[in-house]
Amino acid sequence: AQSVTQPDIHITVSEGASLELRCNYSYGATPYLFWYVQSPGQGLQLLLKYFSGDTLVQGIKGFEAEFKRSQSSFNLRKPSVHWSDAAEYFCAVGTGGSARQLTFGSGTQLTVLP
Amino acid sequence: DGGITQSPKYLFRKEGQNVTLSCEQNLNHDAMYWYRQDPGQGLRLIYYSQIVNDFQKGDIAEGYSVSREKKESFPLTVTSAQKNPTAFYLCASKLDGRGFTEAFFGQGTRLTVV
Repeated sequence: AQSVTQPDIHITVSEGASLELRCNYSYGATPYLFWYVQSPGQGLQLLLKYFSGDTLVQGIKGFEAEFKRSQSSFNLRKPSVHWSDAAEYFCAVGTGGSARQLTFGSGTQLTVLP
Repeated sequence: DGGITQSPKYLFRKEGQNVTLSCEQNLNHDAMYWYRQDPGQGLRLIYYSQIVNDFQKGDIAEGYSVSREKKESFPLTVTSAQKNPTAFYLCASKLDGRGFTEAFFGQGTRLTVV
């Protein structure tokens, strides 16, 4: 079965600093990878997704992520963080053709200092 | 606007009561999901449905029940058998069950046992 690990439970950065959130997955074949963002008390919003092709994908709100097959990683990056980016971020992997095969990591909480 | 509507936003349940959480989508999606979210545990799959009149247990189905009588509706009942129901519940839908289709989320229902 597939799994997703987000090793950082909580990250704090200053506004304007760069950001990288880590995501590692475990799956035997090429996965479908997603990053979602959740503001407090809200649902999840898709930031970006990777299916195939270019391993560097661009998303909304200035985020990007790079798929590295050799490291089984799909890290999320942003060059300059804004205070409004404070939220919880979830990495997810979708596999195969079964509807149940969408697995989420445990999330990384981002705090942005002024 | 197309989307997923969950209601109510907040729900209080007394011990021993059953309560039903509503989830409606007008995206014409085939697949629908219920997740439970607890702090530090990410999203855990309760039930999912790929098609009307069919649904499958997820990883933590005990104490919950669902129905899928209409394509656009997937209500979740939290029964008295669920020993620790206080949590944030998220409903999601996908165009279909394939791994590369993204999930769209509702705004969530926060259930509290009083």
